Amino acid sequence: GAGVSQTPSNKVTEKGKYVELRCDPISGHTALYWYRQSLGQGPEFLIYFQGTGAADDSGLPNDRFFAVRPEGSVSTLKIQRTERGDSAVYLCASSFKGGGLFFGEGSRLTVL
Amino acid sequence: GESVGLHLPTLSVQEGDNSIINCAYSNSASDYFIWYKQESGKGPQFIIDIRSNMDKRQGQRVTVLLNKTVKHLSLQIAATQPGDSAVYFCAEKRSGGSYIPTFGRGTSLIVHP
Repeated sequence: GAGVSQTPSNKVTEKGKYVELRCDPISGHTALYWYRQSLGQGPEFLIYFQGTGAADDSGLPNDRFFAVRPEGSVSTLKIQRTERGDSAVYLCASSFKGGGLFFGEGSRLTVL
Repeated sequence: GESVGLHLPTLSVQEGDNSIINCAYSNSASDYFIWYKQESGKGPQFIIDIRSNMDKRQGQRVTVLLNKTVKHLSLQIAATQPGDSAVYFCAEKRSGGSYIPTFGRGTSLIVHP
């Protein structure tokens, strides 16, 4: 597609449930990023993929968070045993050869 | 520690005026900087970037200035329009090789008609 696509746009879940958020990057972009943004804050880095491998996952807050990009294109962010503090907008971005990041509209996660 | 921060959390201007949004950074090894615009309910939108070997770069109605001596970055918007109302973030490339932009809190630009 023309831009980064994220689904679902909104997700409401209960504490303790498992959640998957999907990102479809711009075609041809080799780098893919996940960020998390809380209200009134800037995006907070979670994980960065170069191709299929996670080049840097230092931003993942704990082992409940995991992300994959098996074919070097679509990525899925997985959150186990969700907590209320996980509520945020999860942003995905892609880029080509170290250029500027192009973001999707985000997936708003609400944990009740 | 390394950080990216903005001087002013909110900037209010009149339509037609020029706007200047400032950003300070502390990592002297940063070599790439980007400005993003984020409208309510949307993802950040790339505006303009600049590499550390440049002092100034111009786009359509926007200019980014980089002062490496004082580690300061600014975004100038000419003839500000109501559609420019948004939160603006500067981001820097983290040191260490991987290109991972680090964002500050942002500046909210409010344009009054």
